[in-house]
Amino acid sequence: EVQLVESGGGLVKPGGSLRVSCAASGFTFSTYTMNWVRQAPGKGLEWVSSISSRSNYIYYVDSVKGRFTISRDNAKNSVYLQMNSLRAEDTAVYYCARDEGSEVLVAIGMDVWGQGTTVTVSS
Amino acid sequence: QSVLTQPPSASGTPGQRVTISCSGSSSNIGSNYVYWYQQLPGTPPKVLISRNNLRPSGVPDRFSGSKSGTSASLAISRLRSEDEAEYYCAAWDDSLRGYVFGSGTKVTVL
Repeated sequence: EVQLVESGGGLVKPGGSLRVSCAASGFTFSTYTMNWVRQAPGKGLEWVSSISSRSNYIYYVDSVKGRFTISRDNAKNSVYLQMNSLRAEDTAVYYCARDEGSEVLVAIGMDVWGQGTTVTVSS
Repeated sequence: QSVLTQPPSASGTPGQRVTISCSGSSSNIGSNYVYWYQQLPGTPPKVLISRNNLRPSGVPDRFSGSKSGTSASLAISRLRSEDEAEYYCAAWDDSLRGYVFGSGTKVTVL
């Protein structure tokens, strides 16, 4: 069964840092682009970042550039999102999502989603 | 303000057909695949339509997708009460170099 399981969410103060993780199973992780998408309370979906299968292509939404870093470890079938200088507006459920793209065509569309991990930024 | 434009709501009675539109531009829908997601309250998004019009295994054939130029649409035929949910369209944007989503359409079964 194809599965994505996020972890690492929690409560953090403004200006603080947090790393969320996503463990993948049931498919050949190293051949897929991976994404992070977030959803603020009561709001819609917002794409955050993408990383290609061999990490050669990385993209971020403007609002997190310079603060968030996406990475992956293909040996551990995991993708990570390091979040620094957190702000209240970063409060959201963070979803990990598999992309049908890889290295040749990085972004096609997101076809498998995890259950999400909640990040709350508050003093 | 979302890059992709969806109506905020749509409704129908059981058995009816409902259509949700998604309008974009040449840099997103016009040049990349459109995906449609269904999100029930408290659950993650689930892909309904991939690559403009493909239905993943397990998705009922009541759901169908189409794309023309810079617009796409999702049709739900033979509407059922369990179709009450939020629906989002998404596509990669070549100019922004990122995914863009519609703001979501809340479907209500009357």
